[in-house]
Amino acid sequence: DAKTTQPNSMESNEEEPVHLPCNHSTISGTDYIHWYRQLPSQGPEYVIHGLTSNVNNRMASLAIAEDRKSSTLILHRATLRDAAVYYCILTGTASKLTFGTGTRLQVTL
Amino acid sequence: EAQVTQNPRYLITVTGKKLTVTCSQNMNHEYMSWYRQDPGLGLRQIYYSMNVEVTDKGDVPEGYKVSRKEKRNFPLILESPSPNQTSLYFCASSLSTRGPYGYTFGSGTRLTVV
Repeated sequence: DAKTTQPNSMESNEEEPVHLPCNHSTISGTDYIHWYRQLPSQGPEYVIHGLTSNVNNRMASLAIAEDRKSSTLILHRATLRDAAVYYCILTGTASKLTFGTGTRLQVTL
Repeated sequence: EAQVTQNPRYLITVTGKKLTVTCSQNMNHEYMSWYRQDPGLGLRQIYYSMNVEVTDKGDVPEGYKVSRKEKRNFPLILESPSPNQTSLYFCASSLSTRGPYGYTFGSGTRLTVV
């Protein structure tokens, strides 16, 4: 499976935008880029996914580099409820999601 | 509401006493999977099922069994639990493992084996 690299942790102030980066330099042409987040004491939750074009949904936006070797999850206005571990995962033909260590996002008042 | 339901949420048991953690999904998903989450080791796949009567081992299958007799249910069986199986367990389902399909996870089962 192609690997992803994310910073271990990031901090943000409430109401500010947050940009969570992910590097995936060995991505293959058929890999989708998925983002999940895990709030404390809960199961992972799907956030967004994309293939080549930038994507928006009610939770976040996903910006994908032109060469697809990196992507950025954008939370437009962070709230305390967005404090979680965010995972960037590539899905191709594997029979599982391979979770890395993710980025722990801390949101402060 | 589309969801994956796991039961129980919390379980404390003794070494060697067989137990089953149930998982049910209401989305008609073909794919289901079990993960365990441990501090410092992250989420690791135990078993998965691509469809009814089709199951296969994940990364850490030792000490676990599964069955998939119906599409909606995918129970995790610990025939002789040991303390090293103390962990947080998640069941997940998806339409497919390929491409754009997202996974839906249950709320988790925290198992303690003493």
